[in-house]
Amino acid sequence: DGGITQSPKYLFRKEGQNVTLSCEQNLNHDAMYWYRQDPGQGLRLIYYSQIVNDFQKGDIAEGYSVSREKKESFPLTVTSAQKNPTAFYLCASSGTADQPQHFGDGTRLSIL
Amino acid sequence: SQQGEEDPQALSIQEGENATMNCSYKTSINNLQWYRQNSGRGLVHLILIRSNEREKHSGRLRVTLDTSKKSSSLLITASRAADTASYFCATDQTGANNLFFGTGTRLTVIP
Repeated sequence: DGGITQSPKYLFRKEGQNVTLSCEQNLNHDAMYWYRQDPGQGLRLIYYSQIVNDFQKGDIAEGYSVSREKKESFPLTVTSAQKNPTAFYLCASSGTADQPQHFGDGTRLSIL
Repeated sequence: SQQGEEDPQALSIQEGENATMNCSYKTSINNLQWYRQNSGRGLVHLILIRSNEREKHSGRLRVTLDTSKKSSSLLITASRAADTASYFCATDQTGANNLFFGTGTRLTVIP
């Protein structure tokens, strides 16, 4: 089945630690996105990539980093510079920027 | 903010009733999309309406778009308990390369 896989489903971060969230898609989509969702809130864009080896900052990129070395993969690293990382992180992909986005089932990140 | 705003924030109805949610936005758009999110899950795309369209139907869903008022509505007819979820509008804004999501309406359908 085609889709987007996020892992892990739950992740815990210690003080001062970097953690990486995985996002893989087999939909052959060019564009991929990372969003942060806080309780009862909408989605805020962290980073997006329209093509391999290229990515742009979204509204809340500080404290996060990404890479896009392969079309299928768009991992997100939450660095120790992100002081409030507890949230639900969603990855999405689309064929082009104006087409509907397909979402993974999210990673819930908490602080130990 | 470039985000849209949904109204109401929360809506509770009896099974079989219709549910209407509204979305307002601030800039010119290429299209507007509606998504659904079950608790703790990712979003699922429901319907896309282009800026030159005024109404669109998909099963029990009806979406309207008024670009002069910069607003859209999502109507779910004959609601079911399984429709309980949060619903988000998202705008594909002119000149942008990503979607801007609203704050969502939390719908509860009581059996």
